[in-house]
Amino acid sequence: QQQVKQSPQSLIVQKGGISIINCAYENTAFDYFPWYQQFPGKGPALLIAIRPDVSEKKEGRFTISFNKSAKQFSLHIMDSQPGDSATYFCAAIQGAQKLVFGQGTRLTINP
Amino acid sequence: NAGVTQTPKFQVLKTGQSMTLQCAQDMNHEYMSWYRQDPGMGLRLIHYSVGAGITDQGEVPNGYNVSRSTTEDFPLRLLSAAPSQTSVYFCASSFSETALNTEAFFGQGTRLTVV
Repeated sequence: QQQVKQSPQSLIVQKGGISIINCAYENTAFDYFPWYQQFPGKGPALLIAIRPDVSEKKEGRFTISFNKSAKQFSLHIMDSQPGDSATYFCAAIQGAQKLVFGQGTRLTINP
Repeated sequence: NAGVTQTPKFQVLKTGQSMTLQCAQDMNHEYMSWYRQDPGMGLRLIHYSVGAGITDQGEVPNGYNVSRSTTEDFPLRLLSAAPSQTSVYFCASSFSETALNTEAFFGQGTRLTVV
């Protein structure tokens, strides 16, 4: 079963717009929620992460919003740029380093 | 800094052949893992290791073996390749669970095709 569900599968946003990717999880024991960014031909790389004791974390143009009661979290990319075009994965971890990934979202930013 | 190095980058196998995907990290990380990436499925955990001599199964372990004789290396063995194992394989490593930074560092992947 998919422990972390991610949507949408693909997303097209105009340059300067806001990109929003959503994830939902079931296991309330998850205690760390990272987002990974993957460019074609490369491995995923950590973009931003949040722990469940905070509701929002912002790093530059990237923001994670976390709703513990709804068991949902989302990535917002403000002022989206063509260089942000990539595949984004949400993930969750419980305890020892067993990352559980969402299905991925292929983001395309049109110039 | 090398980070996590995977070899080979590309491989074509015939059904029934065996092979080993190599993974090495130079960051002295305790945790290492193998994922496969398939369209629409995200990354799924195959096997992982919490330290030298210790391995365990992930979500999709069937058809794969691992061993961890050193901290640096974590090879993945395909015992008898099947077309269903056509995928992109990623190795990852990370600090111990007690560290505040739990970032996983990924290699560049091995694209495997089984015909």
